[in-house]
Amino acid sequence: QSALTQPASVSGSPGQSITFSCTGTSNDVGGYNYVSWYQQHPGRAPKLMIYDVSKRPSGVTHRFSGSKSGNTASLTISGLQPEDEADYYCCSYTSTYIWVFGGGTKLTVL
Amino acid sequence: QEQLVESGGGVVQPGRSLRLSCAASGLSFSSFAMHWVRQSPGKGLEWVAVISYDGNSIKLYADSVKGRFTISRDNSKSTLFLEMNSLRPEDTAMYYCARDLSGGGLDYWGQGTLVTVSS
Repeated sequence: QSALTQPASVSGSPGQSITFSCTGTSNDVGGYNYVSWYQQHPGRAPKLMIYDVSKRPSGVTHRFSGSKSGNTASLTISGLQPEDEADYYCCSYTSTYIWVFGGGTKLTVL
Repeated sequence: QEQLVESGGGVVQPGRSLRLSCAASGLSFSSFAMHWVRQSPGKGLEWVAVISYDGNSIKLYADSVKGRFTISRDNSKSTLFLEMNSLRPEDTAMYYCARDLSGGGLDYWGQGTLVTVSS
């Protein structure tokens, strides 16, 4: 099972909106609504930001939102803040009954 | 305090075994599936294994560890385990346990335990 495809890096300025993409296949992202997104700061454990494509866990700011179209899932951060600078990973359930992560995207807040 | 705490990591020679533990406290454990996820130094996250809430109906593994790693749990002790055999240098990573909120949405993570496989 290949990893999901994420851009290596993105950047944005404070206050902007930014969208991360996560591309898979009909055997994972496109076939199931079990896509989740994680934020990871250096030296820290990952933190769940979005699950089931678009649901936000309690305590996660409304600035984070998720969506999916076909085989591509997206995470959008609105009103970018300096503390949003981190690595972001997508994850999907797959048709072979396993889970797969994307390679991760490094977000730089300029 | 709601937390997962991993233990059992360390330095081990190739071909040897290691058993990781993940103790849950302050959060519901026995009603949720649990996962192990690892992260090699400077690399991304890699899913390793999942076990169903009851420990019997579902145990699934990544191809990279299938046949070498075994996931298990003791709900009476709110503890998750990962038995790792025939370890390889490429198994060197920080190993995290995580609780499955819904279909793979992992809502609680431990701080990780580092496994280094080296001669």
